[in-house]
Amino acid sequence: KAGVTQTPRYLIKTRGQQVTLSCSPISGHRSVSWYQQTPGQGLQFLFEYFSETQRNKGNFPGRFSGRQFSNSRSEMNVSTLELGDSALYLCASSSLANEQFFGPGTRLTVL
Amino acid sequence: DAKTTQPPSMDCAEGRAANLPCNHSTISGNEYVYWYRQIHSQGPQYIIHGLKNNETNEMASLIITEDRKSSTLILPHATLRDTAVYYCIDGTGTASKLTFGTGTRLQVTL
Repeated sequence: KAGVTQTPRYLIKTRGQQVTLSCSPISGHRSVSWYQQTPGQGLQFLFEYFSETQRNKGNFPGRFSGRQFSNSRSEMNVSTLELGDSALYLCASSSLANEQFFGPGTRLTVL
Repeated sequence: DAKTTQPPSMDCAEGRAANLPCNHSTISGNEYVYWYRQIHSQGPQYIIHGLKNNETNEMASLIITEDRKSSTLILPHATLRDTAVYYCIDGTGTASKLTFGTGTRLQVTL
């Protein structure tokens, strides 16, 4: 079974731009969660989607948004990028069981 | 904020058992104990989870105290590839929103 895939793996943007990251969950998994990881703040929950609906949301500004498609693939978007948005963005999928499976992440650098 | 507390770092000799402790002082009755690890520059990897009974799988064993206020992850024969940051988390059964703390950085040495 293929794991969680994320594209792109690396991305460089400048302040003020916007970015879209993509996540393909494990086949059959309907829940997709997004996390931001920075050296200073650690791993922080952004939001979770289940069956195309946002089910949980973390404490991030409205510049961070996401969506999920009918095939469970998910995208997250960050608008008006700031230097502090530089981070590793991780996507995780889960089934009805309790464990989450993480992808390799997208490393975003904002210049 | 994370609800668990872990030592920031531990060392273990290769081939020996690594015992990683965690305190879950505010865990509630319906919350599970999860353990994940993150090897440098990779996404976190699920290890094991439990509710109140001890659990074992091919990667590790999980010991949960009777009052569920603490747990221990045991890697029975640590290898160099087990060097990673280990996170313990308590959360509800949907596991959709994990609150990671700072974890324990385990260094396995020759």
